[in-house]
Amino acid sequence: DAKTTQPNSMESNEEEPVHLPCNHSTISGTDYIHWYRQLPSQGPEYVIHGLTSNVNNRMASLAIAEDRKSSTLILHRATLRDAAVYYCILRDTGTASKLTFGTGTRLQVTL
Amino acid sequence: DTEVTQTPKHLVMGMTNKKSLKCEQHMGHRAMYWYKQKAKKPPELMFVYSYEKLSINESVPSRFSPECPNSSLLNLHLHALQPEDSALYLCASSQGTDRDRAPLHFGNGTRLTVT
Repeated sequence: DAKTTQPNSMESNEEEPVHLPCNHSTISGTDYIHWYRQLPSQGPEYVIHGLTSNVNNRMASLAIAEDRKSSTLILHRATLRDAAVYYCILRDTGTASKLTFGTGTRLQVTL
Repeated sequence: DTEVTQTPKHLVMGMTNKKSLKCEQHMGHRAMYWYKQKAKKPPELMFVYSYEKLSINESVPSRFSPECPNSSLLNLHLHALQPEDSALYLCASSQGTDRDRAPLHFGNGTRLTVT
């Protein structure tokens, strides 16, 4: 399975944008890029996913590099409630049910 | 609040006990999952059910026995567990295992302690 690499931790100030990077240099053409986050004492929560084009939803934006070897999750205005572990996951067409979590990035948001 | 409900929230059991974890969803999802999460680690996939049939078993020891009585319910039966099995057990569901890479909806888990 193709792997992802994320920084262990990042910090942000409240109400500022946050860019969470993810490298996936061995991504295949059929891999979708998914992002989930896990707030303290909760189960993971779906954030966004995409294949080739940039994607926006109410929670975040996903910017995908042209060669698809990296992507960035963008939180436009971080709040204290966005403090969580963010997971970048590749989900293959053939084994779409096997959502495999990597180590993720722990985001701290401060006042 | 999550649309996937897991009970109990906390469970303490001895190594000789038999207990069950329960998961319920009413979103009409046809795929259901069990994950195990140790402290400060990412969730690890254990089992996947698709249309009430077991489709993936990630080489989980037989002391963990999943059951899907119907499309809304998923159980995990526990027997003769070890202290190292103490973890957060997460249930998830999705519309299907391959439709539009449908997002998984997770419950908040059952925190299991084996003494």
